[in-house]
Amino acid sequence: DIQMTQSPSFLSASVGDRVTINCKASQNINRYLNWYQQKLGEAPKLLIYNANSLQTGIPSRFSGSGSGTDFTLTISSLQPEDVATYFCLQHNSWPHTFGAGTKLELK
Amino acid sequence: EVQLVESGGGLVQPGRSLKLSCLASGFTFSNYGMNWIRQAPGKGLEWVASISSSSSYIYYADTVKGRFTISRDNAKNTLYLQMTSLRSEDTALYYCARRTADYWGQGVMVTVSS
Repeated sequence: DIQMTQSPSFLSASVGDRVTINCKASQNINRYLNWYQQKLGEAPKLLIYNANSLQTGIPSRFSGSGSGTDFTLTISSLQPEDVATYFCLQHNSWPHTFGAGTKLELK
Repeated sequence: EVQLVESGGGLVQPGRSLKLSCLASGFTFSNYGMNWIRQAPGKGLEWVASISSSSSYIYYADTVKGRFTISRDNAKNTLYLQMTSLRSEDTALYYCARRTADYWGQGVMVTVSS
């Protein structure tokens, strides 16, 4: 199975900060990497698909980059409503596997 | 608007069975592969099972292979997960998700305990 190592596990940042979250795959997954946001008590929401494509309706302050084994989710200017847990998913090969998540809070 | 609504969860004894359903709306269900994903309390997410649009391709995680069966009824816009020989480690919030998890339901809780 492909292991997805996500970092950091916890992140505290201020409104307006640039925030980056990373996922590293244990082997090449090309660009088959999605990023999700999950707020407490809600279903996960797709932010970025295939490493760098912004899902419809998602604010442009969210962006994704990377290919192969190293991927980054960036929030260019943190907003209060971005407080959530973020996680990655590789869908290059079976079984599809998830990162452990990053809990983002406001400082 | 894409909507996925899971049902059928609950408390069940070890060794017993349970069947989850996921009613889809807002898109042409028969055109999309569908999935079950779960999250145990305090744990990470696990991809459980997938089924192609025509049911011709099915995938199971090793942890549930031989015990769980994914199926779908395209006429009823409904995805199913038949779970048998349930174990305590199957306790989780079970999500239904479309395609490569572009849309998720709210999840349904399954608790396996005596």
